Amino acid sequence: DGGITQSPKYLFRKEGQNVTLSCEQNLNHDAMYWYRQDPGQGLRLIYYSQIVNDFQKGDIAEGYSVSREKKESFPLTVTSAQKNPTAFYLCASSMDRGRETQYFGPGTRLLVL
Amino acid sequence: QQQVKQSPQSLIVQKGGISIINCAYENTAFDYFPWYQQFPGKGPALLIAIRPDVSEKKEGRFTISFNKSAKQFSLHIMDSQPGDSATYFCAAGSGGSARQLTFGSGTQLTVLP
Repeated sequence: DGGITQSPKYLFRKEGQNVTLSCEQNLNHDAMYWYRQDPGQGLRLIYYSQIVNDFQKGDIAEGYSVSREKKESFPLTVTSAQKNPTAFYLCASSMDRGRETQYFGPGTRLLVL
Repeated sequence: QQQVKQSPQSLIVQKGGISIINCAYENTAFDYFPWYQQFPGKGPALLIAIRPDVSEKKEGRFTISFNKSAKQFSLHIMDSQPGDSATYFCAAGSGGSARQLTFGSGTQLTVLP
């Protein structure tokens, strides 16, 4: 089955702890994205990557970091600098060069203990 | 200027009725306008999308109406069904090989049986 997988489905973070959310796609898409979703708000872009070993900050990158070592993988680390990390995190991917449709994964809900 | 304003925040419609959700934007560089449907605990899925060179696009019971001069676009769901109950997000995108999307705040639609 082709698609985007995110793990874990739920993640708990303790104060001062860094946590990493996984995102994998087997759609052979070049571009990948991370969004944050809070209740009553739309999706806000954290980071995006157009190609391996390259990524760009989105609107709310502070307190987050990413890497893109492989085309199919785009992990997101929520660092201790992110003071309000509780949210639903969504990963998406799209083909490059004018293929606008973004396909989303099932999401990871991050909760702070 | 990057905002996309969506209304209403919530909408209740009787089965068989028409659901209408509206969005407005300011940035004239936007040239791609998708609508996403999201069920609780799931990632959004593309429903229908339009470019500004057409004023209307229909796919089954779903229609996008686009008014370029007013910088507004709307989603119409004809013959609304209880299975349509979900959160709907409009978005707007512009340029680049990794097209970024700016999302509206979402509309929670409830279709009563």
